[in-house]
Amino acid sequence: NAGVTQTPKFRILKIGQSMTLQCTQDMNHNYMYWYRQDPGMGLKLIYYSVGAGITDKGEVPNGYNVSRSTTEDFPLRLELAAPSQTSVYFCASEGQGAEQYFGPGTRLTVT
Amino acid sequence: QQPVQSPQAVILREGEDAVINCSSSKALYSVHWYRQKHGEAPVFLMILLKGGEQKGHDKISASFNEKKQQSSLYLTASQLSYSGTYFCGTDRGAAGNKLTFGGGTRVLVKP
Repeated sequence: NAGVTQTPKFRILKIGQSMTLQCTQDMNHNYMYWYRQDPGMGLKLIYYSVGAGITDKGEVPNGYNVSRSTTEDFPLRLELAAPSQTSVYFCASEGQGAEQYFGPGTRLTVT
Repeated sequence: QQPVQSPQAVILREGEDAVINCSSSKALYSVHWYRQKHGEAPVFLMILLKGGEQKGHDKISASFNEKKQQSSLYLTASQLSYSGTYFCGTDRGAAGNKLTFGGGTRVLVKP
């Protein structure tokens, strides 16, 4: 099993550009999450999904959108990138014991 | 509201013990502990449920005092591999296991 994979690993965006961060898991988990982690800080929940077709907002959803058309994929869309969105983004899926498995992260810089 | 972790940082010699605390102002259903090494994704350590027992993972164990809304993580006979940042995530029992993470405790174990 590859677990949770994320692409790209790094990205630099100009202010106002848009992009999609990809997240795929091969563990057939229903619950998936997107977090952001600013330098030296904890993780903040952006969006989550309890299954294909169902998504909901987390703590910091503004400026982001998600979709969940399949169990495996949970992409995160950034519209009109702003410097405040410079961060490391982690996708996670949840196992049956409520443990979360994190992907390797995407390091995003908006300049 | 974000749980508060203390201390913010701790330096240990190999073989020493340490305690990391996680406190919430709200009633909790469960507390989750993760460790993150520099530049890597968080890795699951353990979950403590309301009404559950103290858990252990190798020489790392944790307790959960529901009345005080606090959890403590115990690092016993620390090893070099214990270095990293430890995060607690609290869950208030709403649908989707939405975790709110603390700011983290940096642990450095020296030889």
